[in-house]
Amino acid sequence: ILNVEQSPQSLHVQEGDSTNFTCSFPSSNFYALHWYRWETAKSPEALFVMTLNGDEKKKGRISATLNTKEGYSYLYIKGSQPEDSATYLCAPGRGGADGLTFGKGTHLIIQP
Amino acid sequence: EPEVTQTPSHQVTQMGQEVILRCVPISNHLYFYWYRQILGQKVEFLVSFYNNEISEKSEIFDDQFSVERPDGSNFTLKIRSTKLEDSAMYFCASSEAGRGGVSSYEQYFGPGTRLTVT
Repeated sequence: ILNVEQSPQSLHVQEGDSTNFTCSFPSSNFYALHWYRWETAKSPEALFVMTLNGDEKKKGRISATLNTKEGYSYLYIKGSQPEDSATYLCAPGRGGADGLTFGKGTHLIIQP
Repeated sequence: EPEVTQTPSHQVTQMGQEVILRCVPISNHLYFYWYRQILGQKVEFLVSFYNNEISEKSEIFDDQFSVERPDGSNFTLKIRSTKLEDSAMYFCASSEAGRGGVSSYEQYFGPGTRLTVT
């Protein structure tokens, strides 16, 4: 069983500020790292999937980096907006199509 | 945009009853998954399914659980004799898995079925 830690558990950010949070996972037996955004009463939405050490991916104001040697990934949100309020989940996978092991998530609240 | 759908959105059942949760994965996807989230806990992997058979299953997926792809579109999770601790949100997901590089391994989730066992 993979031990996946996300921090912080929750985060309050002023609208317009930038923020980031962390996902830690075992660096051995790793294939890919997935990030999801999950709004209440909706489906978890796939944001990124990354495999290579040093990978950086971007989608609008959201970006993520990956360090497979030390086993962590950062998710950054630039210029937070109220619609960014959600729980952000990370999940490493040991194989391309394997089941994912999720962290508990970072619950982000953007305050106007 | 294609999406994974699940029915029903909420199912209430009595302990010991059988339930079937239904999912329609994205049509050109090859791998199908079930996950669950017990209230306040992490999302947990249950099972993956490929080429009409189970590809991988977790310790949670015991003999009480079974999966089936009864036709070309539906993917079902059956719980034979529900227990109180089966109360959870159950998510179905699907992926292309390997058809188009790393991004093809993205798993697309449905909105979930909330199962309440009384």
